[in-house]
Amino acid sequence: GESVGLHLPTLSVQEGDNSIINCAYSNSASDYFIWYKQESGKGPQFIIDIRSNMDKRQGQRVTVLLNKTVKHLSLQIAATQPGDSAVYFCAENIGGGSNYKLTFGKGTLLTVNP
Amino acid sequence: NAGVTQTPKFQVLKTGQSMTLQCAQDMNHNSMYWYRQDPGMGLRLIYYSASEGTTDKGEVPNGYNVSRLNKREFSLRLESAAPSQTSVYFCASSNRQASGYTFGSGTRLTVV
Repeated sequence: GESVGLHLPTLSVQEGDNSIINCAYSNSASDYFIWYKQESGKGPQFIIDIRSNMDKRQGQRVTVLLNKTVKHLSLQIAATQPGDSAVYFCAENIGGGSNYKLTFGKGTLLTVNP
Repeated sequence: NAGVTQTPKFQVLKTGQSMTLQCAQDMNHNSMYWYRQDPGMGLRLIYYSASEGTTDKGEVPNGYNVSRLNKREFSLRLESAAPSQTSVYFCASSNRQASGYTFGSGTRLTVV
């Protein structure tokens, strides 16, 4: 079965609010995690990544938090904008070297209300 | 523009027909992947190629074959299409673990 999953399938927020999207993973051997954004009719786009030796990483308006103790990953989006409306996927990598391949969660639909 | 190019963008097949989905990347990436995306199922790995000359099965390989034609191109073939293969297919490439994947824009396939 899938080892990556999401707590919330949908999230609706007001423009300007902060958004938090959660993801649980079950494989303690996972060493690399990525968040992707997918807009309707497009392929997934890389947002931010984090390695297992870190617990926090910040980008522009986005922060990823990793809690290895409870196998939990979250994506925080600050000052959410209508353009942030999309499906967000977390992905994990277990294999290393030439076996690098990602397992994706089912996704969370984020809707930003003006 | 640099990236991953998939053709065709849309395709309708009859049950039992065959077709090949094409994928090419111009980023000199070593690894390439084929995923399918179904509603409520997320992205599932069909096949991948860690480097030119190698291919391996992913989570859902049945009914598919792949060819890593050269470093740039990785094709996915359906020999005898079935309605269960109706899906959106994404090709992706990567060069190293710390860079994530770059995805193509997808092929929407309907098998009737």
